[in-house]
Amino acid sequence: KNQVEQSPQSLIILEGKNCTLQCNYTVSPFSNLRWYKQDTGRGPVSLTIMTFSENTKSNGRYTATLDADTKQSSLHITASQLSDSASYICVVSAFNDYKLSFGAGTTVTVRA
Amino acid sequence: NAGVTQTPKFQVLKTGQSMTLQCAQDMNHEYMSWYRQDPGMGLRLIHYSVGAGITDQGEVPNGYNVSRSTTEDFPLRLLSAAPSQTSVYFCASSYHRDLNTEAFFGQGTRLTVV
Repeated sequence: KNQVEQSPQSLIILEGKNCTLQCNYTVSPFSNLRWYKQDTGRGPVSLTIMTFSENTKSNGRYTATLDADTKQSSLHITASQLSDSASYICVVSAFNDYKLSFGAGTTVTVRA
Repeated sequence: NAGVTQTPKFQVLKTGQSMTLQCAQDMNHEYMSWYRQDPGMGLRLIHYSVGAGITDQGEVPNGYNVSRSTTEDFPLRLLSAAPSQTSVYFCASSYHRDLNTEAFFGQGTRLTVV
């Protein structure tokens, strides 16, 4: 069964600091990996989409990396802001498969 | 351009009642899907549609029905609500079911079954 595991489950950081979230997956054959941001009470919003050939992609202060060989991805948040407080979800899709495999998410809390 | 619109935002049902969660998108997307989100778990696919008139089951379809009479609308019906269906429901759409296309999510419907 395709699985997506995220760590840590939650973390607290001070405003202005950096943090890195991890995602390990077993989805095969791999097609792409996405990171979503979900604010409390809202739907997920896409941050990045990476295919097999991409190993890094940035969206403002968010930088995602992908190692397709080890089936690992990370999301790095630089100079965190209070508005970064949210759940970050790793989503992986298999080639020629409509289904998306979702991780349980990492809850990030940024404190002033 | 409203994106994906879900209604209602909140709903409380009694066990055994039926209801329909509405989902509409105005982006002319082929692919639409319904997920449920439960604490500590990733989103799970309930039903999906690759175009008008075509629907199929996802990972957790029991107790739910869908139809897709138009490209824009994809309602989710709870036939006889059970407490196990208490969850947050998200509708999503993308231009094509094939990948590398961004999926857009609605704001969610928080359903409580008592």
